Amino acid sequence: QITLKESGPTLVKPTQTLTLTCTFSGFSLSTSGVGVGWIRQPPGKALEWLALIYWNDDKRYSPSLKSRLTITKDTSKNQVVLTMTNMDPVDTATYYCAHIIITMVRGVIINNWFDPWGQGTLVTVSS
Amino acid sequence: QSVLTQPPSVSGAPGQRVTISCTGSSSNIGAGYDVHWYQQLPGTAPKLLIYGNSNRPSGVPDRFSGSKSGTSASLAITGLQAEDEADYYCQSYDSSLSEVFGGGTKLTVL
Repeated sequence: QITLKESGPTLVKPTQTLTLTCTFSGFSLSTSGVGVGWIRQPPGKALEWLALIYWNDDKRYSPSLKSRLTITKDTSKNQVVLTMTNMDPVDTATYYCAHIIITMVRGVIINNWFDPWGQGTLVTVSS
Repeated sequence: QSVLTQPPSVSGAPGQRVTISCTGSSSNIGAGYDVHWYQQLPGTAPKLLIYGNSNRPSGVPDRFSGSKSGTSASLAITGLQAEDEADYYCQSYDSSLSEVFGGGTKLTVL
């Protein structure tokens, strides 16, 4: 059974850097064809994909947030860490991590979907 | 403004059939990338409902079905039940933006 859980601060001040950790079980990020992604959801609004990392350390970022995001993995601890710099009140949201299922054709990743998701963690940005 | 467009809301009476559309473009759905659907019950994390356009994960009732044609995809729910009241999101890949979600559709069971 795959489970994921997000952890990190619930409150950050504007301009600070947010660091979130996704701790997972039931799979290894050293296994080919595996990934972990981060998605956020502002209160009452839609889902927004942020970043993802694959077993081979390939990393992808949302173009609109790329300059502020860094995603890393610690395979030995079964953790993925997301950092977001220069936090602003508009970044207030529930942040989710999720296991990624991948389909590949001739070694090229052509589709990703997220299953399952962690429970999410609400991060409020306020002074 | 989401890259994938969904109606903000749909509704139906118990037992009825409803559909939720997800409209994209030639850089995502129309480029051949698969569409996936998620159900988000109030106060909970999203749950995978349909993957690869029309495949149901184990445990998802066959009342839920997905399809894709051209630059659009649809989620159909038959035999509507009160427990289906939730937000529904489509997701795909965009050649310029990577992973993208729709704006979400709130399903109300009347």
